[in-house]
Amino acid sequence: AQSVTQLGSHVSVSEGALVLLRCNYSSSVPPYLFWYVQYPNQGLQLLLKYTTGATLVKGINGFEAEFKKSETSFHLTKPSAHMSDAAEYFCAVSLLGDMRFGAGTRLTVKP
Amino acid sequence: DTEVTQTPKHLVMGMTNKKSLKCEQHMGHRAMYWYKQKAKKPPELMFVYSYEKLSINESVPSRFSPECPNSSLLNLHLHALQPEDSALYLCASSQDRVSGGEKLFFGSGTQLSVL
Repeated sequence: AQSVTQLGSHVSVSEGALVLLRCNYSSSVPPYLFWYVQYPNQGLQLLLKYTTGATLVKGINGFEAEFKKSETSFHLTKPSAHMSDAAEYFCAVSLLGDMRFGAGTRLTVKP
Repeated sequence: DTEVTQTPKHLVMGMTNKKSLKCEQHMGHRAMYWYKQKAKKPPELMFVYSYEKLSINESVPSRFSPECPNSSLLNLHLHALQPEDSALYLCASSQDRVSGGEKLFFGSGTQLSVL
């Protein structure tokens, strides 16, 4: 079965610094990969997804992620963190419509 | 309309109560999902409906009973719940589930507390 592992349950950055959230996947066939963000007491909002084609995927709010098959990774980055980026981030993998989430990474942004 | 609407937003119930959670979407999506999310944990898949038929039941206890009366509505009937069932219950929908690459649209959830 497919799965994702998020490295680091908590990441703290200063405002304006680079954001890097790590995700590695395991799948027997090429997967579809997603990053979702969740604010307190809210549902999940899609940031970006990779299905096929270009391996560098751009999403909303200045986030992007690169699919690296050789490293089985799909890390999320943002060049400059904003206070509003503080939230829980989930990496997810989907195979035949069965979506599984990683454990999540809580991003804290310091002023 | 790109929303998934869940009601109620908050629910407190006793262990002997019967209640229902409701979910509605008008995007023409044919796959709908129930997820359970405990605090500081990722969402866990409970049920998947595809074209109004139950296609996945992740070994969920029978005190949770899903229902899909039509392509726009998804209910979750609750009966004799336990305090450990307290969680955020998320509904989601997608165009279909076969393609696999479709994103899920999530509702804001129902925060359930079982006393």
